[in-house]
Amino acid sequence: DTEVTQTPKHLVMGMTNKKSLKCEQHMGHRAMYWYKQKAKKPPELMFVYSYEKLSINESVPSRFSPECPNSSLLNLHLHALQPEDSALYLCASSQGPAGVYNEQFFGPGTRLTVL
Amino acid sequence: AQTVTQSQPEMSVQEAETVTLSCTYDTSESDYYLFWYKQPPSRQMILVIRQEAYKQQNATENRFSVNFQKAAKSFSLKISDSQLGDAAMYFCAYRSAGDNDMRFGAGTRLTVKP
Repeated sequence: DTEVTQTPKHLVMGMTNKKSLKCEQHMGHRAMYWYKQKAKKPPELMFVYSYEKLSINESVPSRFSPECPNSSLLNLHLHALQPEDSALYLCASSQGPAGVYNEQFFGPGTRLTVL
Repeated sequence: AQTVTQSQPEMSVQEAETVTLSCTYDTSESDYYLFWYKQPPSRQMILVIRQEAYKQQNATENRFSVNFQKAAKSFSLKISDSQLGDAAMYFCAYRSAGDNDMRFGAGTRLTVKP
């Protein structure tokens, strides 16, 4: 299984809503990532989990709250978002620092629209 | 800090022809990895090809090959016999050995004309 899955595919939410994005991989990878991608732009790194611990937080606003319940799952909890947070949210995984290439495998993304 | 530069926002190629996408990077490290990722419109980002900095031999994957010039810090992607399915956004990416995070270039949008 070389797949990273993400749910939901699309999400529309109001600024007062609370929602969560989910990411799952069963490749035994020990590093998982959240990226935000605006149209025609490269992915921007938000968070990195390594061995289920948050290792990188790229100064992301607190209205985004990541969670890594186990080595296969990664969540992104959303609360009080702004319209400018509308974007494609990508999850990725990689073997971890010990991996030779450590290339990242990406999920299909969740397209988020904040009204 | 490492930076990755893709100086061609858009490129186009005729079907069956060859096209080269440029990428340069800036780093003071000696051990790192370089990648080209492809993101078709509204589709998943997938790895096209990868290169270890300590390997002099250029990586090749079927119709895709790279020209890795370590001293010049250049990592270009050559697509031979271009196909309509090659149309996508292509991102060059850099990762330091032992690090988790990856730096992406701004991307090059490739159009393939029939």
